[in-house]
Amino acid sequence: DQQVKQNSPSLSVQEGRISILNCDYTNSMFDYFLWYKKYPAEGPTFLISISSIKDKNEDGRFTVFLNKSAKHLSLHIVPSQPGDSAVYFCAASDRDDKIIFGKGTRLHILP
Amino acid sequence: EPEVTQTPSHQVTQMGQEVILRCVPISNHLYFYWYRQILGQKVEFLVSFYNNEISEKSEIFDDQFSVERPDGSNFTLKIRSTKLEDSAMYFCASTEWTGGRNEQFFGPGTRLTVL
Repeated sequence: DQQVKQNSPSLSVQEGRISILNCDYTNSMFDYFLWYKKYPAEGPTFLISISSIKDKNEDGRFTVFLNKSAKHLSLHIVPSQPGDSAVYFCAASDRDDKIIFGKGTRLHILP
Repeated sequence: EPEVTQTPSHQVTQMGQEVILRCVPISNHLYFYWYRQILGQKVEFLVSFYNNEISEKSEIFDDQFSVERPDGSNFTLKIRSTKLEDSAMYFCASTEWTGGRNEQFFGPGTRLTVL
């Protein structure tokens, strides 16, 4: 039962270009969405979040877009930098306090 | 910057043995969590803990699992009789609940290997 889906297991982007990571969800009760970044041998690190009452949230190079009607969100990173190479997890929560994670997308930033 | 810490970083155990994984959440946080990630799979919620009791648990968190906050700083996950399929990375997380926002901060994980 995949409530949060990241259909691209990996993505390669040239340094300086825009990285777009996509995520779909099925549970309409989700009201808070998060993106986590994970380096090898480390725990997930919170990156950016968005409440369901918004459709966009921006923090520096990172922007998250939410399309509630399509149950879709995306993370834009611009410009992409070498240190952005990591696994990115899309996650969601409802009124419960647990977070449901997607399977992750491995982002490779190419020189 | 405050961070969640976990010990040990790697635990190897024999099937059927008990293991205790330890976590020190961020000091002013009130909500604590355990997640696990089996190799190649997604991060999965195990249990949440608030006010010295479990607030929610997943189907994975069966009678073999227990959590405890034995003192004011540690938060532990015990697996009573480990199985091969318990081999995974176990992540502890904590959050200062801010009324609908749930930015959980994760520790570096403990890799559990059951032989």
